[in-house]
Amino acid sequence: KQEVTQIPAALSVPEGENLVLNCSFTDSAIYNLQWFRQDPGKGLTSLLLIQSSQREQTSGRLNASLDKSSGRSTLYIAASQPGDSATYLCAVRRTRDRNNDMRFGAGTRLTVKP
Amino acid sequence: DVKVTQSSRYLVKRTGEKVFLECVQDMDHENMFWYRQDPGLGLRLIYFSYDVKMKEKGDIPEGYSVSREKKERFSLILESASTNQTSMYLCASSLWGPENPYEQYFGPGTRLTVT
Repeated sequence: KQEVTQIPAALSVPEGENLVLNCSFTDSAIYNLQWFRQDPGKGLTSLLLIQSSQREQTSGRLNASLDKSSGRSTLYIAASQPGDSATYLCAVRRTRDRNNDMRFGAGTRLTVKP
Repeated sequence: DVKVTQSSRYLVKRTGEKVFLECVQDMDHENMFWYRQDPGLGLRLIYFSYDVKMKEKGDIPEGYSVSREKKERFSLILESASTNQTSMYLCASSLWGPENPYEQYFGPGTRLTVT
C-alpha cells in the first residue's frame, strides 16, 4: 500500500526566503504526483501536477521536481511571501486506471513571517 | 475554470440523524470523489465514482453511502450520524481519458459537527 510522507509537519520562515517542501512515497510505480495548497478551513487548490515521465514543473515562483526512483518530490518556493502561508499537500496516483485513486500526505503547514 | 461546489460550508447535526452532503461540478468530469480530512490523519477517501450510477469504496466507507444519479452531482449520505463522523468533508472531481493526467479539483469543503 502506498504511503506518502511529508516532513516537516510545520515550517516557519521569514519573508523573502527560498524554501523547499518535501514529499516522499514508498512505491515508486506512480502515474503522477500533484501538489496542492490548502488555506485554513478551505478546500484544496491544485498548484502543480507532474506526470511520471516528467522531472519538474514550474508555475511562477513554484517549482516541483520528481525523482521516481528515490520516491521523492520537492516543492520549491522562491522569494516567499506572507500570502504563501498555508498547508501544502502532495498526492500520488498509482495508475491511470479509472478506478484508481490518489494517496495524500498529511501536509506541511507553512508560515511566512513579515 | 473548473468549479466544484458543495451544498453547505458548515453543518451541525444530531447523533442518529440522516445527513446528505451534496457536491456539484460544472465541467462534465467523469470522476468524482468524497474525502474526509482530520487533523493528523490527512485526507482519506470514503467513496469515488467514475460514471453515473457507478461507485467504488475507498479506505473508510463504513457508515457512509453515496449516490450518483447525474454526472454532475455526487452525494454523500450518512445513514445515522455519529460523533466520530465530525470532520471536514471534501468533494473532488477529475476528467478521465487516455491522454488525461487526472488532475483533481476540489470543492470548498463542508465542516460537519455531530453532537
